[in-house]
Amino acid sequence: NAGVTQTPKFRVLKTGQSMTLLCAQDMNHEYMYWYRQDPGMGLRLIHYSVGEGTTAKGEVPDGYNVSRLKKQNFLLGLESAAPSQTSVYFCASSYVRISGNTIYFGEGSWLTVV
Amino acid sequence: AQSVTQLDSQVPVFEEAPVELRCNYSSSVSVYLFWYVQYPNQGLQLLLKYLSGSTLVKSINGFEAEFNKSQTSFHLRKPSVHISDTAEYFCATFNFGNEKLTFGTGTRLTIIP
Repeated sequence: NAGVTQTPKFRVLKTGQSMTLLCAQDMNHEYMYWYRQDPGMGLRLIHYSVGEGTTAKGEVPDGYNVSRLKKQNFLLGLESAAPSQTSVYFCASSYVRISGNTIYFGEGSWLTVV
Repeated sequence: AQSVTQLDSQVPVFEEAPVELRCNYSSSVSVYLFWYVQYPNQGLQLLLKYLSGSTLVKSINGFEAEFNKSQTSFHLRKPSVHISDTAEYFCATFNFGNEKLTFGTGTRLTIIP
């Protein structure tokens, strides 16, 4: 019973490099989310998806792209990494409506851009 | 727009002492309220939630929170803390209208032996 799994857990990038974070969930959830966590700022929503093949922008989408080709996977891409994207990234998933249910988080991916 | 305010960024407490972590929210519509806990180097875990009904909700590890609609608060309390409670705690609201989950900035709880 894996829940929400993120890979990789740690990564160091040089400015301008690209990378993709993978999120996989095995709970058949419709909704998936990518958040970033920065000190003193809590969690901020980057992008989210309400179902396979759909994506939408959150609060801080600039510099990121996402894809949801399969229901169980939600990919977060950085095309040209910048030091401002140094952060901890959390993936999450939930049922179609969160009412009465909860949102499940992955364990985080620590990204450093130098 | 909805927002969540956690005024205390850090709260040091002696072991076995009581603690209160404050959370205030603003929203023009009904919301669900949550407390999440993040232990060092881990993801967020749901601690407790208020959806409807009794305004006092409890977790399995001794925390409780009370929804106060008039004060728009959802403070988290524990009568006697333990070293293992050291973590960061996030208050969050879910807005029915836009189905958006909004987090506070977090409160780091440090237990002093």
